[in-house]
Amino acid sequence: DTGVSQDPRHKITKRGQNVTFRCDPISEHNRLYWYRQTLGQGPEFLTYFQNEAQLEKSRLLSDRFSAERPKGSFSTLEIQRTEQGDSAMYLCASSKLTGSEQYFGPGTRLTVT
Amino acid sequence: QQPVQSPQAVILREGEDAVINCSSSKALYSVHWYRQKHGEAPVFLMILLKGGEQKGHDKISASFNEKKQQSSLYLTASQLSYSGTYFCGTETTDKLIFGTGTRLQVFP
Repeated sequence: DTGVSQDPRHKITKRGQNVTFRCDPISEHNRLYWYRQTLGQGPEFLTYFQNEAQLEKSRLLSDRFSAERPKGSFSTLEIQRTEQGDSAMYLCASSKLTGSEQYFGPGTRLTVT
Repeated sequence: QQPVQSPQAVILREGEDAVINCSSSKALYSVHWYRQKHGEAPVFLMILLKGGEQKGHDKISASFNEKKQQSSLYLTASQLSYSGTYFCGTETTDKLIFGTGTRLQVFP
């Protein structure tokens, strides 16, 4: 396994701009998760996919956030009209199925100025 | 609802033992344990499934009380590399809800 990869690792953007992050999961993993983490807190669930289907989206996630996983492989997370409160580490994880360990990528650190 | 971890912080000397607890108010399918070092992603340590199955690190042990929705992580003969923040993740319906975290520092 090559592990979960994320790109970019760091992103600095101005308020109001759109940003897109990419996650490449471990190849045989069906499930892909997005989390957000701020300093001193645990990862906060955003959304997850089983293959290409988005099965759940956190109620905390505003309409400015959207995620896709075309063809059930890599996934993208887009944030439109970024706000300073969006500054955080965005983590992606993948797993085989329910009750399986999740493996995290290195994260994308977003700073909104 | 976010699981509660205790203690919030632990300071150890190398070789000492520690126990970290995780408590949820919901019926759980599984409990996951992760360690995160500063600036890095969480690393999987252990998963405990309803029914008793466990998978994970061979130098770390854990327990899962299904009736009480509680789990404990046991760190024995701690090493410097054990330093970091430990999170439990509770799984109810296909997603993990991470706990409040326990910061562990091991000194020589």
